[in-house]
Amino acid sequence: GENVEQHPSTLSVQEGDSAVIKCTYSDSASNYFPWYKQELGKRPQLIIDIRSNVGEKKDQRIAVTLNKTAKHFSLHITETQPEDSAVYFCAASKSGNTPLVFGKGTRLSVIA
Amino acid sequence: DAEITQSPRHKITETGRQVTLACHQTWNHNNMFWYRQDLGHGLRLIHYSYGVQDTNKGEVSDGYSVSRSNTEDLPLTLESAASSQTSVYFCASSDVGEQFFGPGTRLTVL
Repeated sequence: GENVEQHPSTLSVQEGDSAVIKCTYSDSASNYFPWYKQELGKRPQLIIDIRSNVGEKKDQRIAVTLNKTAKHFSLHITETQPEDSAVYFCAASKSGNTPLVFGKGTRLSVIA
Repeated sequence: DAEITQSPRHKITETGRQVTLACHQTWNHNNMFWYRQDLGHGLRLIHYSYGVQDTNKGEVSDGYSVSRSNTEDLPLTLESAASSQTSVYFCASSDVGEQFFGPGTRLTVL
């Protein structure tokens, strides 16, 4: 089955700097790669997703890149702000309506 | 507004008791999922359903069961609660894209 590895497990950045979180997956049949943000005590919420027919997707300060050949994808957050502090999860699945396999999460701290 | 809800939000039970966690969505989504979240493990899939009368096992299904008698609900039952099932449980639903998560149930098994 699918296995998703996520690095780093913790990340501290200064406010205004960029943050990068990387994930690798094992199943070449995976085609959908969402990223979720989870604040303390809250539910995971989708912040951006990418499908296998696209190499990069941007939404304001957030971007995701996908390399299907190498089976890895990354989340890039630019101009980080204190409210970006949270745990971020990557995930992979065959399509948007099939079960997600999650990475173990990255705790991002943005220091003001 | 359409939403996904879970109840109870917090539950304390004893080893060996049967527990049922409720999940209700008003989006009319066919796909529903149950995950558990534990420190160091992220979110792991317990059971899922693609529609009424359909249920499937996930990665960590032992000791859990689900039933889907209508589109809106996917209750999760712990047949005989064990301390290893102390966790935060999230249900989610989707149509063709994004999975929307419920607020979670924190379950403690003593």
